[in-house]
Amino acid sequence: EVQLVETGGGLIQPGGSLRLSCAASGFSVSSNYLSWVRQAPGTGLEWVSVIYSGGSAYYADSVRGRFTISRDDSKNTLYLQMNSLRADDAAVYYCARVPSTNPGYFDSWGQGTLVTVSS
Amino acid sequence: EIVLTQSPGTLSLSPGERATLSCRASQSVSSSYLAWYQQKRGQAPRLLIFGASSRATGIPDRFSGSGSGTDFTLTISRLEPEDSAVYYCQQYGNSPRYSFGQGTKLEIK
Repeated sequence: EVQLVETGGGLIQPGGSLRLSCAASGFSVSSNYLSWVRQAPGTGLEWVSVIYSGGSAYYADSVRGRFTISRDDSKNTLYLQMNSLRADDAAVYYCARVPSTNPGYFDSWGQGTLVTVSS
Repeated sequence: EIVLTQSPGTLSLSPGERATLSCRASQSVSSSYLAWYQQKRGQAPRLLIFGASSRATGIPDRFSGSGSGTDFTLTISRLEPEDSAVYYCQQYGNSPRYSFGQGTKLEIK
């Protein structure tokens, strides 16, 4: 069974840094594309970043230069390093798997981890 | 950047009725790269439809997707109380870049 479990969220001051983790089971992160999607309170879904199986990484304009996606194949875990956090980065962050056979959608999602940015 | 606009914003229907949710794109979208998700209150999104019309694993055949180009539709026939949720369409484009519609809230009376 495919499972994704995010951790690392919490309260952080503006300008601070936070690293989110997403532990995967039931499949290998090295063989799949993985993504981060966020949802600010009471709003819709916003794509943040994707990392391909070959290691190429892509970002939404809103986070490029501040966020870094990576993975540790030995731990079967995905990460999101978030720097220079702003109030509008506050959201529930979901990790999601993208099928390598079709990069067009997210077929499995974690339960999400909440990031609050406030002084 | 392709913008997806969903309508209506809110839909209120009774059990057994049919729901028709629309997703319109600002530019043509490949049907292979159009998906629909269901998100219930307090839960993560769940994939319903991919490739515009293919149902994801375990999704009842009451859910169907159609459309091409800039106009796509999610149809839920024979509504059940547990279908109450927010539904999002999503597209994938070059760069790569993913974008979501703003969502349609479906209320079952």
